[in-house]
Amino acid sequence: QKEVEQDPGPLSVPEGAIVSLNCTYSNSAFQYFMWYRQYSRKGPELLMYTYSSGNKEDGRFTAQVDKSSKYISLFIRDSQPSDSATYLCAMRVSGNTPLVFGKGTRLSVIA
Amino acid sequence: NAGVTQTPKFRILKIGQSMTLQCTQDMNHNYMYWYRQDPGMGLKLIYYSVGAGITDKGEVPNGYNVSRSTTEDFPLRLELAAPSQTSVYFCASSTGVNTEAFFGQGTRLTVV
Repeated sequence: QKEVEQDPGPLSVPEGAIVSLNCTYSNSAFQYFMWYRQYSRKGPELLMYTYSSGNKEDGRFTAQVDKSSKYISLFIRDSQPSDSATYLCAMRVSGNTPLVFGKGTRLSVIA
Repeated sequence: NAGVTQTPKFRILKIGQSMTLQCTQDMNHNYMYWYRQDPGMGLKLIYYSVGAGITDKGEVPNGYNVSRSTTEDFPLRLELAAPSQTSVYFCASSTGVNTEAFFGQGTRLTVV
């Protein structure tokens, strides 16, 4: 079992839809969880950063962490064509350890 | 504020050639990383550094070398290029291990 599993999609939704992106993980020691957005031929950019369990909201984006289920989600409300990108989840154990990434989910928002 | 700058943006290498991918950051970050991203895959860590003079292997270090003589620069060296090293390479930096990483725009490398 890979450490971090993420459905690669592609996921296609109409403009205005609510999007749910998910990752599961196997290492219960992960404590820091991040979501990155990557546009085509660009570097990833940090979208959301959460520590431990719970929800975090930033504008149209909500990140959710359920450590008991080893499951994290990113919700996008009122999706826009500009949200079309690949979304990568990433996580790390507290301490001097690097990020472990999922493969990314490719999202297309159709106008 | 330039952030993380990678050069070159594109490169084609012949099998067996060597090259250095350059990475510079102007944010005074201690932590720097090199990742590779293959089509349809997530990022895999090649090497990382927690400060000048300190480097460590990541998940896929074979065929690569790094050095960190200054806080700003973290070059990645390919000694004997192989087709399996065809990928997009990203450099990243962060203030600490539990903080977000800032990524460069990538170097697209093809080995033929």
